[in-house]
Amino acid sequence: GIQVEQSPPDLILQEGANSTLRCNFSDSVNNLQWFHQNPWGQLINLFYIPSGTKQNGRLSATTVATERYSLLYISSSQTTDSGVYFCAVEGGGGSNYKLTFGKGTLLTVNP
Amino acid sequence: DAGITQSPRHKVTETGTPVTLRCHQTENHRYMYWYRQDPGHGLRLIHYSYGVKDTDKGEVSDGYSVSRSKTEDFLLTLESATSSQTSVYFCAIRDTNEKLFFGSGTQLSVL
Repeated sequence: GIQVEQSPPDLILQEGANSTLRCNFSDSVNNLQWFHQNPWGQLINLFYIPSGTKQNGRLSATTVATERYSLLYISSSQTTDSGVYFCAVEGGGGSNYKLTFGKGTLLTVNP
Repeated sequence: DAGITQSPRHKVTETGTPVTLRCHQTENHRYMYWYRQDPGHGLRLIHYSYGVKDTDKGEVSDGYSVSRSKTEDFLLTLESATSSQTSVYFCAIRDTNEKLFFGSGTQLSVL
């Protein structure tokens, strides 16, 4: 099946700093999503982005499908951005409606 | 809010006992999923459903069964719980825009 690798595994920032999280995948994709899991365990869908660029406030994401990677940008980070960020993909040819998750990036934003 | 309710939220059980987790949705989405989350593994797909009585296996389906007799309910059953099934279980739905939304999770401890 398709492989998903996220980097870095851990990231510590001071409030106000910017960061870039990366997601590499091993095959063509027809669905790619980014999620944030807050410290209370809740999983929030951030972006559906199989290709192109999207922005939502301080967060933006870019997927370059031909080069098999996606980037999540967080600008002017806040302590509430802390948590784990997951990338999930579906692909490998046909649509099988199953998303495979990476192991996540643990982000800690200190005040 | 995708209208997803998981029950119970927490459960402690003993090895060898049967356990059923319930996922209920209010918006009649066709696709429903069960994932488990463990440290170091991210989220892994157990089973999913693409309609009433239509289900398929994910990557970690051994020891689990599912049923979907109504559109709104997707049940996950551990026929004989083992300590390796101690985990946090998440239900998810896939909306008409292909985005995945998660319930709040069930913390299961098998002693």
